[in-house]
Parts: sequence; structure tokens; C-alpha cells
Amino acid sequence: GAVVSQHPSWVICKSGTSVKIECRSLDFQATTMFWYRQFPKQSLMLMATSNEGSKATYEQGVEKDKFLINHASLTLSTLTVTSAHPEDSSFYICSALPGGKETQYFGPGTRLLVL
Amino acid sequence: GQNIDQPTEMTATEGAIVQINCTYQTSGFNGLFWYQQHAGEAPTFLSYNVLDGLEEKGRFSSFLSRSKGYSYLLLKELQMKDSASYLCAPTGDSNYQLIWGAGTKLIIKP
Repeated sequence: GAVVSQHPSWVICKSGTSVKIECRSLDFQATTMFWYRQFPKQSLMLMATSNEGSKATYEQGVEKDKFLINHASLTLSTLTVTSAHPEDSSFYICSALPGGKETQYFGPGTRLLVL
Repeated sequence: GQNIDQPTEMTATEGAIVQINCTYQTSGFNGLFWYQQHAGEAPTFLSYNVLDGLEEKGRFSSFLSRSKGYSYLLLKELQMKDSASYLCAPTGDSNYQLIWGAGTKLIIKP
């Protein structure tokens, strides 16, 4: 149980384009999902907390207009990196919190390379 | 402030036992998680301690002392596949928002 999927697993795009990453909880409903970014050999960095049906809460320093988050259902959240630049190249990981629980379950991550 | 202190790297031998220590300071605390992260992969859940004491789960055990702001992860009968980073993540201001450090990279040698 508590399986989270992400799609795509990796993506290469040109600078200036937008990329959408999907995060799905497959066998549970997630009232809250989190989006993280991780650069090589660094710790997880929380970008935003997403609650179903409401606006995401962004961490300090994360541009909400650049990283668009939509949590339209209890099993799906999407992160769109708009006008991507090479410095946005990173490992993006989502996690999902089953309703009433404290444990976050992570998706497998999406590796983004912006050329 | 919020702070997590774990060793950056540890080395152990296959079949042995290793203890990874973690001390933490958070403005709010409800519990502490341990996650395992293999290189290039996302973290996977190992344990969650809310109460003081030791919780055992197969080859892995996790200990928590709330008064000392201290936890450890104990790995027994080490296997090569245990080579990974181990992340100690206490809760922060809310029950579900975790504080993440850089983790401890564990290297297992034959």
C-alpha cells in the first residue's frame, strides 16, 4: 500500500519551454501533497505544500508564478515549471500524505534537464 | 531555530551492525522520521517515532529521546544493498512538515 507515482520519470526540454510533472497516489487519497527539489549531493528542499482544492503554500524563495501547482483531486497534483532555464535542471520529487496520517510517501522522482 | 546534525558519511562491513545518530532542534516537534535514499532515487520510509524508546522493525530499529533531542537508526546484519543515504527528519511547526538535513551516506564494504 501507499504507492505514489510520478510522470514522467525524466524529461529533457529546451530553455524557455514549460514542463508538467504529475504526481498520483495510486492506492490512497492524499489531502496533502508536497513538492521537493534536490540538487546532487544536497538535501531535499521543500518547494511547496499542496492541499486538495486550495492554493498551494510556497516556501520562501520559490517563485509561485514559475512553479505552478495544481491539486485538483485527492489523488493527483501537478507541478508545471514554466519558462524553464538550465538552472531549473534538478530532481523533482513529490510526496503524498494519506488522510489522517503523518507519514509522507514519496514518488520515484522526475529528473529534469533543461538545455 | 531548526537544526539537524548527522554524520556526513559512515563506513561499515557487510554482516555487521551500524548505528547512525541524529540530534535535532526544532521549534515544534511531534515525531521523527527516518528515510532511506539510494543514489539517484527518491526516499523510502523506514520508521516513525513519536514516543521515547526503541522501535524494532526487522533488521532496522529506531530510537528516540525527546528530552535529549536525539535519535538513532540501528541497522543489523548489514547487506550491500543497505549502501544508501539515511535521512533523519523531525517534524517542524506542523505535524506533517518535516525538516530535512543532508543525511548520512552509509557505505557497506564486503
